[in-house]
Amino acid sequence: RKEVEQDPGPFNVPEGATVAFNCTYSNSASQSFFWYRQDCRKEPKLLMSVYSSGNEDGRFTAQLNRASQYISLLIRDSKLSDSATYLCVSNRQGQGNLIFGKGTKLSVKP
Amino acid sequence: EAGVAQSPRYKIIEKRQSVAFWCNPISGHATLYWYQQILGQGPKLLIQFQNNGVVDDSQLPKDRFSAERLKGVDSTLKIQPAKLEDSAVYLCASSLRPVGFGNTEAFFGQGTRLTVV
Repeated sequence: RKEVEQDPGPFNVPEGATVAFNCTYSNSASQSFFWYRQDCRKEPKLLMSVYSSGNEDGRFTAQLNRASQYISLLIRDSKLSDSATYLCVSNRQGQGNLIFGKGTKLSVKP
Repeated sequence: EAGVAQSPRYKIIEKRQSVAFWCNPISGHATLYWYQQILGQGPKLLIQFQNNGVVDDSQLPKDRFSAERLKGVDSTLKIQPAKLEDSAVYLCASSLRPVGFGNTEAFFGQGTRLTVV
């Protein structure tokens, strides 16, 4: 079993739609969580960190449920420019590196 | 601010040949990572350096892969001999300190796309 598992996708949605990505992690030692965005043939870039209290950045909302070992990303009012692969990422306590999920591809259509 | 620089951008080699990739991290970043990203997968950590010391190389196939960061700045990753399954994008990333310590962000280079034929 992979340490970080994501919805396989792809998600094909119309502009303006709300889309939610789910992610689960298996290692209870996981401490920090992030969502990265990766455009086609580009490097991953940090979209947002995920905090236990939940956090919002414009149209993006991230949630963490430690009891269920579950992370989510909600994108409201999807734009064409949101089309990318979204990577769920964890970091284990005491280990200074990132563990990536497989990624979920999002295509926003006009 | 200059980002993480990697070269070459693309490389095509035959199986059993050797290849080397180079990475120049963001100035002042003590932590450097090499990740392997196979098509359709998320990046997988190969090795992590803290200055010029190896912190984690548990997923590095040491029979064919090697990496060094001699002066604690630039780093090279080598594959010798290459196999077909090594075809992937090799991403270098750097951060001020290890991720998870404070609000530390890792920045990725554009990667080297390796094709082994």
